[in-house]
Amino acid sequence: DIQMTQSPASLSASLGETVTIECLASEDIYSNLAWYQQKPGKSPQLLIYYANSLNDGVPSRFSGSGSGTQYSLKINSLQSEDVSIYFCQQNYDSPYTFGAGTKLELK
Amino acid sequence: QVQLKESGPGLMQPSETLSLTCTVSGFSLTSNGVGWVRQPLGKGLVWMGTIWAGGSTNYNSAVQSRLSISRDTSKSQVFLKMNSLQPEDTGTYYCARQPRIGDVMDAWGQGASVTVSS
Repeated sequence: DIQMTQSPASLSASLGETVTIECLASEDIYSNLAWYQQKPGKSPQLLIYYANSLNDGVPSRFSGSGSGTQYSLKINSLQSEDVSIYFCQQNYDSPYTFGAGTKLELK
Repeated sequence: QVQLKESGPGLMQPSETLSLTCTVSGFSLTSNGVGWVRQPLGKGLVWMGTIWAGGSTNYNSAVQSRLSISRDTSKSQVFLKMNSLQPEDTGTYYCARQPRIGDVMDAWGQGASVTVSS
């Protein structure tokens, strides 16, 4: 199975700040990497697919990058509604494994 | 619009068989796959398996021996059955659309909470 190592596990940032979350795959996943946002008490929602493609309706302050085994999610100008847990997932090979998640809080 | 909704019993006894239903609308099961994801309380996400548009299935080897995913396309429903339940199977179970093999999960249900306890 492909292991997804996500960091940091938690993150505290101020409104307007820029934050970055990293995801490292145990082998090359050829950009088959998605990011999901899970707000408190809600189901996960797709933010980014194929490493850097923004899903419909997702604010442009979210962006994804990376290739090979290393990927990142960047949130510019942090807003209060961005408080969530963020998960990466590889969809290159079954089982489609997730990272452990990053809990983003406001400072 | 695309919608998915899980339903099923909230409380199960150890060794019982869990049956969950995912009722979808806004898309066809003959053109899209639907997968199941489990989330233990306060923990991360685990992909359990998917039934694809053609009816074939993929399962996570961690639960493959206990898991079965099937569907009724005429009713727009996908079913999860998992036997030999244990307390560690407690969590929220989500169904999500996964359009084609290798695709991301682009729409999710609200989740069904399942507790396994004697």
